[in-house]
Amino acid sequence: RKEVEQDPGPFNVPEGATVAFNCTYSNSASQSFFWYRQDCRKEPKLLMSVYSSGNEDGRFTAQLNRASQYISLLIRDSKLSDSATYLCVAAGGSYIPTFGRGTSLIVHP
Amino acid sequence: NAGVTQTPKFQVLKTGQSMTLQCAQDMNHNSMYWYRQDPGMGLRLIYYSASEGTTDKGEVPNGYNVSRLNKREFSLRLESAAPSQTSVYFCVTGVRDPRETQYFGPGTRLLVL
Repeated sequence: RKEVEQDPGPFNVPEGATVAFNCTYSNSASQSFFWYRQDCRKEPKLLMSVYSSGNEDGRFTAQLNRASQYISLLIRDSKLSDSATYLCVAAGGSYIPTFGRGTSLIVHP
Repeated sequence: NAGVTQTPKFQVLKTGQSMTLQCAQDMNHNSMYWYRQDPGMGLRLIYYSASEGTTDKGEVPNGYNVSRLNKREFSLRLESAAPSQTSVYFCVTGVRDPRETQYFGPGTRLLVL
């Protein structure tokens, strides 16, 4: 069982829709959490960090639920340009980042 | 400030050939990592270096060796390439602090025939 699990999707949504992804982690010692975006044939790039209190950046909201050991990403008012793969990352006490396999999002007109 | 650079960008090898993937960072980060990314498998850690002078195995180290040449450079060597090593390789750096994040190099696409 992988330490960080994500639904691979694809999530196929129309423009303007709200879509949410969850990611579960098994290492209770994980302390740092992130969401990355990866476009086809490119390197992953940081989308946002996930703080205990949750955080919002424009149309994107990230939440952390330590009790249930999952993090979530909510995208509001989806744009065509949001189409990508979204990777969640958990880093434990040794700060070795463990990546999920990614969730594919396709936003269509 | 180039961030994280990797060379080469693309490489085709025959089975049994050797090569070294180079990674350099100019962000003064202590920790550096090598990951491979394969369809359906996600990013898997090959080796990492928590600081200059130290290296440790990750999830899939077999068939690879690494050298942390100095704080800036972390190389990955394939001594005898196998088709199973066909993959995209990413060098990643990150300060070992939960408030910091990881930075990716652009990747090396390797095909082993």
